[in-house]
Amino acid sequence: SYVLTQPPSVSVAPGKTARITCGGNNIGSKSVHWYQQKPGQAPVLVIYYDSDRPSGIPERFSGSNSGNTATLTISRVEAGDEADYYCQVWDEHVVFGGGTKLTVL
Amino acid sequence: EVQLVESGGGLVQPGGSLRLSCAASGFTVSSNYMSWVRQAPGKGLEWVSVIYSGGSTYYADSVKGRFTISRDNSKNTLYLQMNSLRAEDTAVYYCARATDSLWPYFDYWGQGTLVTVSS
Repeated sequence: SYVLTQPPSVSVAPGKTARITCGGNNIGSKSVHWYQQKPGQAPVLVIYYDSDRPSGIPERFSGSNSGNTATLTISRVEAGDEADYYCQVWDEHVVFGGGTKLTVL
Repeated sequence: EVQLVESGGGLVQPGGSLRLSCAASGFTVSSNYMSWVRQAPGKGLEWVSVIYSGGSTYYADSVKGRFTISRDNSKNTLYLQMNSLRAEDTAVYYCARATDSLWPYFDYWGQGTLVTVSS
């Protein structure tokens, strides 16, 4: 079965750029979606089809996907961005990455 | 406005059964891919099951043979029948709508319902 690998944690200072990776075999041939989950809340879609943003998601959130790595980039990080982030693809069925905890220092 | 509201969670003994419901509004369940996704305490998201708009159903290996996903079109409601429950099934269970596309993603989620399997 297909496996998505994310770093368990990423730390960044406010105002800086955070990059969260999602590794998978030839993931660049698939479309990757990203979700943000804050404590006690349901996940929220922040990026779909590698780099598209749903309405209401700030332009600070962007995505890319090539080769064996997809990346979620959060520019000008704010305290409110602190959350768990999950990547997801559809390979036969649904596959989620293990999640990355973003800490804003 | 699209809404998903889960119910039916609770405390159940190992080996017991529980049925979760997910009442949808603002769209038609039968016209979409619908999934159950769970999250064990302190853990990541785990896909559980999907029912496609055509009615086909699929399950994660961890629940295959024990869980059954279904829908009631007249009630616009999604269900998850969970039998032979184990301690490792303890989790918050979310229902989610997936886009009917080549690379589906979940655009709407419910608030989740907690299932605790314990004696």
